[in-house]
Amino acid sequence: GAVVSQHPSRVICKSGTSVKIECRSLDFQATTMFWYRQFPKQSLMLMATSNEGSKATYEQGVEKDKFLINHASLTLSTLTVTSAHPEDSSFYICSALGLAGGLTDTQYFGPGTRLTVL
Amino acid sequence: AQKITQTQPGMFVQEKEAVTLDCTYDTSDPSYGLFWYKQPSSGEMIFLIYQGSYDQQNATEGRYSLNFQKARKSANLVISASQLGDSAMYFCAMSLKAAGNKLTFGGGTRVLVKP
Repeated sequence: GAVVSQHPSRVICKSGTSVKIECRSLDFQATTMFWYRQFPKQSLMLMATSNEGSKATYEQGVEKDKFLINHASLTLSTLTVTSAHPEDSSFYICSALGLAGGLTDTQYFGPGTRLTVL
Repeated sequence: AQKITQTQPGMFVQEKEAVTLDCTYDTSDPSYGLFWYKQPSSGEMIFLIYQGSYDQQNATEGRYSLNFQKARKSANLVISASQLGDSAMYFCAMSLKAAGNKLTFGGGTRVLVKP
């Protein structure tokens, strides 16, 4: 159980184009999903918190118009990188929070998407 | 604000031996959760073990155990009987219920298991 999928796993695009990344919880419902960014040899940095049916909450310094997040259902959240530029090249990884109550809620991660902007 | 520190950027361990990965944290909130994740070269983050701030006993999951010392604010991960497949990055993370269960990650420790 607790499987999260992410699609695509790898994408290469031209500068100026937009890229959509999907994150799905396959065997559980997730009211909350998170989007992270990871540069090589670095830790994960939280970009935004995505709640089903409401607007995403972005971390300080993350451009909400650049990174559009939609959480349309309890099993799907999407991240769209708009007008991508080479500096947006990174590893993007999502996680989904189970519905178990209390502090034992665990984030289960997708396999990640490697974005390369040429 | 909460902070997670992993002081070991990398370490070698002999196959079949145990290894301890250090993690210290800082928060003023009494209610928090501590997690360890494994990230192999493929990039996926694999959940290993969880420890709640109010848990009286140290968490264990198979070959993984968490040495939770609340007074010292440390949550070290012990991997027993290391296997070649344990070679990966390991991240310690903390969540606060008051912060919507957002995870704050440490910088990670790279483990390389030698045959």
